[in-house]
Amino acid sequence: SQQGEEDPQALSIQEGENATMNCSYKTSINNLQWYRQNSGRGLVHLILIRSNEREKHSGRLRVTLDTSKKSSSLLITASRAADTASYFCATDHYGNNRLAFGKGNQVVVIP
Amino acid sequence: NAGVMQNPRHLVRRRGQEARLRCSPMKGHSHVYWYRQLPEEGLKFMVYLQKENIIDESGMPKERFSAEFPKEGPSILRIQQVVRGDSAAYFCASSPDRDSYGYTFGSGTRLTVV
Repeated sequence: SQQGEEDPQALSIQEGENATMNCSYKTSINNLQWYRQNSGRGLVHLILIRSNEREKHSGRLRVTLDTSKKSSSLLITASRAADTASYFCATDHYGNNRLAFGKGNQVVVIP
Repeated sequence: NAGVMQNPRHLVRRRGQEARLRCSPMKGHSHVYWYRQLPEEGLKFMVYLQKENIIDESGMPKERFSAEFPKEGPSILRIQQVVRGDSAAYFCASSPDRDSYGYTFGSGTRLTVV
């Protein structure tokens, strides 16, 4: 399967703590993207990292990519209650016309 | 710019009826993607369309499902003779070109088949 697979599936943390989730994939990618989905809503694009990049930052988000291990991590620093959501990684593979999504991580930030 | 608009937000159909889901892409976007999300699952690709053309429908079930993106008007995902297993959230995304750098998703249509 080319789909990204996130680990862990569910994460519960206190407000102010950092949240880290990982994603692995099986075949070469063009880029990898992380999305957030609040309950009952659509997906919001958070950050994209290209295959030739190793790390990227956006506000409180930090994404790393290790193409040798075919894995990525998303770090949310100083979490807030509003960060409570499901987080999905999605991979764009060469030759495909679509993003392949993992099953998602449910993150709950306790105020 | 109103973003990607999907309607209806919620749709209830009885088994055997037809469901029509609409997606209006962002202004200037000519590429549309449909995804399906089952409960507790990620999004599964269904179909990729450009204006008047189906580019990739490898994720579409062979029967009962069809999609179009006419020259004028929204993209339509049509499900004929719905069954309970079709109950899911259907999301549309649009982008200005083939590269996935700029996907924008709509809020989805939640289809319930009773």
